[in-house]
Amino acid sequence: QVQLVETGGGLVRPGNSLKLSCVTSGFTFSNYRMHWLRQPPGKRLEWIAVITVKSDNYGANYAESVKGRFTISRDDSKSSVYLQMNRLREEDTATYYCSPHSFAYWGQGTLVTVSA
Amino acid sequence: QIVLTQSPAIMSASPGERVTMTCSASSSVSSSYLYWYQQKSGSSPKLWIYSISNLASGVPARFSGSGSGTSYSLTINSMEAEDAATYYCQQWSSNPYTFGGGTKLEIK
Repeated sequence: QVQLVETGGGLVRPGNSLKLSCVTSGFTFSNYRMHWLRQPPGKRLEWIAVITVKSDNYGANYAESVKGRFTISRDDSKSSVYLQMNRLREEDTATYYCSPHSFAYWGQGTLVTVSA
Repeated sequence: QIVLTQSPAIMSASPGERVTMTCSASSSVSSSYLYWYQQKSGSSPKLWIYSISNLASGVPARFSGSGSGTSYSLTINSMEAEDAATYYCQQWSSNPYTFGGGTKLEIK
């Protein structure tokens, strides 16, 4: 069965960095675009980034709210996708999820709290 | 970006009652790319309905989805206690992909 496990969340000060990981299994990872999404406490879901597959040169696209601060990457040999988050802000506080295109499966999420 | 507005924000229904919630888009959404998710407290979202009207695996047949263009709806034919949750619509017809604010459905 498909499994996605996000890790790397925690408490971080504003302006600092954090890297999230998502390890997957149960599907052919290299064939799928991968997304990161997030949900601030009590708020709506927000799509934040996507990375394409090798044949599309691993192109990436970002939401305006994170463009220039976050970087999505992947390692097909490890069936994993990553989210490097720099210059974190308090409004980045959320549970972060990874999901393969087209969103049929989600991990349990990892909580990132940005606070002084 | 396409803004999705869900209504009502909160609703309650008695067991056996018919329930309908709506999702209105600021611009037309391609039919293949309008999805609904169910999320229960403390859990991750679950894909519930895809491409407007197709039930995801394991979703009870009392659920249905309909709509076109800028107006979509999710209907529960006969409310059951296990259906209490928050339901979100999502479009990925146009980047950035966006979600509605959710409809919280409670059981009376």
